Amino acid sequence: QQPVQSPQAVILREGEDAVINCSSSKALYSVHWYRQKHGEAPVFLMILLKGGEQKGHDKISASFNEKKQQSSLYLTASQLSYSGTYFCGTEIRWSGNQFYFGTGTSLTVIP
Amino acid sequence: NAGVTQTPKFRILKIGQSMTLQCTQDMNHNYMYWYRQDPGMGLKLIYYSVGAGITDKGEVPNGYNVSRSTTEDFPLRLELAAPSQTSVYFCASRDSGGRNDEQYFGPGTRLTVT
Repeated sequence: QQPVQSPQAVILREGEDAVINCSSSKALYSVHWYRQKHGEAPVFLMILLKGGEQKGHDKISASFNEKKQQSSLYLTASQLSYSGTYFCGTEIRWSGNQFYFGTGTSLTVIP
Repeated sequence: NAGVTQTPKFRILKIGQSMTLQCTQDMNHNYMYWYRQDPGMGLKLIYYSVGAGITDKGEVPNGYNVSRSTTEDFPLRLELAAPSQTSVYFCASRDSGGRNDEQYFGPGTRLTVT
């Protein structure tokens, strides 16, 4: 039930772009994105509820392809503060209220 | 608002001991969750609750118990601690159906079982 994220890790220079993918084998009701800094709790970035929905704030945005059961997180013009581990979180259709976090993507931005 | 608070922050248990991890939220959220996060891994759902008096199992419930007698509190009980329960435990609350529908996490409890 755990969604799979790719890539597992990525290193960027400041100003570069990155895409993180989240893929589920089950039909999804919603996709959430979180960022976790080392030694801290995860922090919410955004939620996508409808297939085809795209959201974003600042230079971080996401899309949700309901048919493919996939979501992607886009980070543009990366900043040092973007470093951390990114997790997608999913609610699966018709599975009650269970919540599954993805395998995680470690992102490191270097000067 | 304090948000989500967890106690204790750190704990070392001997094999076979029991303990309760406390979680309290002051945002009047209906949903609450307990996760564990092993080193370098993602979060696994242990138990969750959609309201006072209602709890349900997540992915990895074995060795744990929960109760939800009030909206604010959602304690997690470990019975007969085992080394496999060494982990960081996060509690979260969520205003499901609310404006943002995000999960707010507590700071975590680092538990070592030796």
